[in-house]
Amino acid sequence: GAVVSQHPSRVICKSGTSVKIECRSLDFQATTMFWYRQFPKKSLMLMATSNEGSKATYEQGVEKDKFLINHASLTLSTLTVTSAHPEDSSFYICSARDTGSEAFFGQGTRLTVV
Amino acid sequence: AQSVTQPDIHITVSEGASLELRCNYSYGATPYLFWYVQSPGQGLQLLLKYFSGDTLVQGIKGFEAEFKRSQSSFNLRKPSVHWSDAAEYFCAVGARAYSGAGSYQLTFGKGTKLSVIP
Repeated sequence: GAVVSQHPSRVICKSGTSVKIECRSLDFQATTMFWYRQFPKKSLMLMATSNEGSKATYEQGVEKDKFLINHASLTLSTLTVTSAHPEDSSFYICSARDTGSEAFFGQGTRLTVV
Repeated sequence: AQSVTQPDIHITVSEGASLELRCNYSYGATPYLFWYVQSPGQGLQLLLKYFSGDTLVQGIKGFEAEFKRSQSSFNLRKPSVHWSDAAEYFCAVGARAYSGAGSYQLTFGKGTKLSVIP
């Protein structure tokens, strides 16, 4: 199947700093990318959906100024957690799909804010 | 809005035994249905999916699932479990988010953790 690479796999940052997570589709064009957040023993919660070249569509309750999503090319989307706080610590997963195809998931990023 | 229920939070089976993981969904139209597996600290891998056609779907690693419209269910089965199957399993329903064939937005269940006893 198609490969989605997410980087970094783990990151620890200080409270108040910003962290950028990258999601790349390696062998296909990702017209749509999704960002999920997964809490311990919880399901994946969709944060936002982005189409290449357009502004992301955020789910209700997700702060768009805190979780900045950029989908500037057909192979790359980034999620920047701004002014991170300990409550932002979580497992973030991206997925990517081309039009008419299934979604493929990245390996996830474990963010710890100290 | 669509929703997915996985009634079992944690299931333990012996290696070689059969497995069935339950999934019920709520969606106003014919859904797209998926099963994913997640190993600890990893992303999700697609096991199988149902879009239309034959209601019994074969997937990777020997898994299969059956779509039962009357029961709004999409249970995952495997006749003989291997120790390497221990993981978290997520059922998901795809609801159409955009126009165009195959466009959908996934809603996940809370997952079922599978433990396998040697």
